[in-house]
Amino acid sequence: AQKITQTQPGMFVQEKEAVTLDCTYDTSDQSYGLFWYKQPSSGEMIFLIYQGSYDEQNATEGRYSLNFQKARKSANLVISASQLGDSAMYFCAMRVPSGGYNKLIFGAGTRLAVHP
Amino acid sequence: EAQVTQNPRYLITVTGKKLTVTCSQNMNHEYMSWYRQDPGLGLRQIYYSMNVEVTDKGDVPEGYKVSRKEKRNFPLILESPSPNQTSLYFCASSTRDRGVTYTNTGELFFGEGSRLTVL
Repeated sequence: AQKITQTQPGMFVQEKEAVTLDCTYDTSDQSYGLFWYKQPSSGEMIFLIYQGSYDEQNATEGRYSLNFQKARKSANLVISASQLGDSAMYFCAMRVPSGGYNKLIFGAGTRLAVHP
Repeated sequence: EAQVTQNPRYLITVTGKKLTVTCSQNMNHEYMSWYRQDPGLGLRQIYYSMNVEVTDKGDVPEGYKVSRKEKRNFPLILESPSPNQTSLYFCASSTRDRGVTYTNTGELFFGEGSRLTVL
């Protein structure tokens, strides 16, 4: 069954430190995509980073990087130099082929609190 | 500006009173979908549409209806809301995949969310 697992309901980190948010996935498809979204307290979903299953390099977007370990089926998000504005809920999601459309399967989310 | 617009953003209603949450996108996307977000469960897909007049059930369709009469609009209808439909709802849209190996991120564009409370 296709599934995303985020085992950390909550995390906290000191400002300016790095933090890793865990995500493991399960799929039998060879072609898939992995996403991370941020949801601040205002509620909107903000796209952070994407990793395709055929991409050999780990994706990076500014302070965000995705630690993609295909054999272990993990796609952890690393936030470097945390800022107070990084406090939010973070969702890992997986896109799999399904009749030519983009269905995303989401994990339960990890709430990150950045402390000054 | 490219966007997905949902209305209303907040709504409190009572059991059994029909309501519609509208969703409109201005990016000419073929694909649109509705998700609901509940604590500890993440986002779950309710319905999706691959194009005009083409809709199908997602993972949690019970109690909901949708329609896609125009490409830009995809309303979510709760014919007889119940308290277990109290949730945060998101509409999303994207382009359709072009093949097995993705040549773009296929990113979903989300609306700002509609927080619904059914008393």
